[in-house]
Amino acid sequence: GQQLNQSPQSMFIQEGEDVSMNCTSSSIFNTWLWYKQDPGEGPVLLIALYKAGELTSNGRLTAQFGITRKDSFLNISASIPSDVGIYFCAGPPRAGGTSYGKLTFGQGTILTVHP
Amino acid sequence: SAVISQKPSRDICQRGTSLTIQCQVDSQVTMMFWYRQQPGQSLTLIATANQGSEATYESGFVIDKFPISRPNLTFSTLTVSNMSPEDSSIYLCSVVLRHGNTEAFFGQGTRLTVV
Repeated sequence: GQQLNQSPQSMFIQEGEDVSMNCTSSSIFNTWLWYKQDPGEGPVLLIALYKAGELTSNGRLTAQFGITRKDSFLNISASIPSDVGIYFCAGPPRAGGTSYGKLTFGQGTILTVHP
Repeated sequence: SAVISQKPSRDICQRGTSLTIQCQVDSQVTMMFWYRQQPGQSLTLIATANQGSEATYESGFVIDKFPISRPNLTFSTLTVSNMSPEDSSIYLCSVVLRHGNTEAFFGQGTRLTVV
């Protein structure tokens, strides 16, 4: 099946710094989703991307759908301590049909923010 | 989005026993899914819970080990049968609100430890 390669695996940054992480696939994805998971919680949807080249923001978060449709990027500007958590990229393994809602996840990026 | 409640939130179980996890949604949803997140790992789809019919399992997961019920559009259960320590994971319920929608929302998860 399709696999998502997410990098970096972990990041240790100072409060106020910007963060960038990415996700790549060997095959085309029609949708890219970015989630954040806090300890002891389920993933929370941050941003959804549906078109190649699309750039979408949600507060200090900005995500882009790569033009090749095989990658996506998530940027966090001016990080704060509550940004700590695990960030996952995800996408449906196949377009349409019975695949709606069925997601393949990247390995996750663990973000640590030092005050 | 939707409010998705899972019970129990955590449990410690003896090997060889079974545990049933409940997922309750505050509104009717088209699709419900169950994921597993092994310690320090990403999320892996177990199965699609189909209303009124047998669940659809992903490769590597079988009904005898993970029986699933979905009696209506707001409720589903996942049973982890004949547990072993390797089943220690977080089990997550996920929903898609409308047909054709890719965005999935997650419950808070059930942290299972098998001793």
